[in-house]
Amino acid sequence: DAGVIQSPRHEVTEMGQEVTLRCKPISGHNSLFWYRQTMMRGLELLIYFNNNVPIDDSGMPEDRFSAKMPNASFSTLKIQPSEPRDSAVYFCASSLSTGYGYTFGSGTRLTVV
Amino acid sequence: EDQVTQSPEALRLQEGESSSLNCSYTVSGLRGLFWYRQDPGKGPEFLFTLYSAGEEKEKERLKATLTKKESFLHITAPKPEDSATYLCAVHPGGGSQGNLIFGKGTKLSVKP
Repeated sequence: DAGVIQSPRHEVTEMGQEVTLRCKPISGHNSLFWYRQTMMRGLELLIYFNNNVPIDDSGMPEDRFSAKMPNASFSTLKIQPSEPRDSAVYFCASSLSTGYGYTFGSGTRLTVV
Repeated sequence: EDQVTQSPEALRLQEGESSSLNCSYTVSGLRGLFWYRQDPGKGPEFLFTLYSAGEEKEKERLKATLTKKESFLHITAPKPEDSATYLCAVHPGGGSQGNLIFGKGTKLSVKP
């Protein structure tokens, strides 16, 4: 089992550019979560999907953020346009169902300059 | 408002010096409490889930306990490889069913 796979591991971009983060969940897991981690705020849930359907996106900071899950094996988180305050580590996690222990990916460290 | 507070923020121990990490929570109904370990540059790694007061779980030198207001992660005779940030999270019963609410973690350093 390869675990949750995220790409890229690091992303440096200029303010105003579009950024796309990618995630492949563990096969058979039907819940997928996008989290953001900063020193100040810790881990914050951005959005989660159940059976590829977005269930709760109340954590998405603004309309600049969007997430999709076109099938059970792939999800994207897009930021357009990016801003310096978006700099953080973004984690994807998956689980068999909500309430079970989540398996996290290694994260994408995003730096917006 | 559902909230998770971990203490201390940082803890330095000598190898073999046992101690405990605290996670206090206020939630509208608790579906589960989770402990994770996070190493630098990596995602959190699942350790335990506790569901009801009085429950205990053990793994090697770690033991997690749960009361109605808090959870403890006891570390017995720690080794340098136990150095990491330990995160606590709660799954509240009300509101968003999928939202694990995380504390900010306790950074543990174990010196040889």
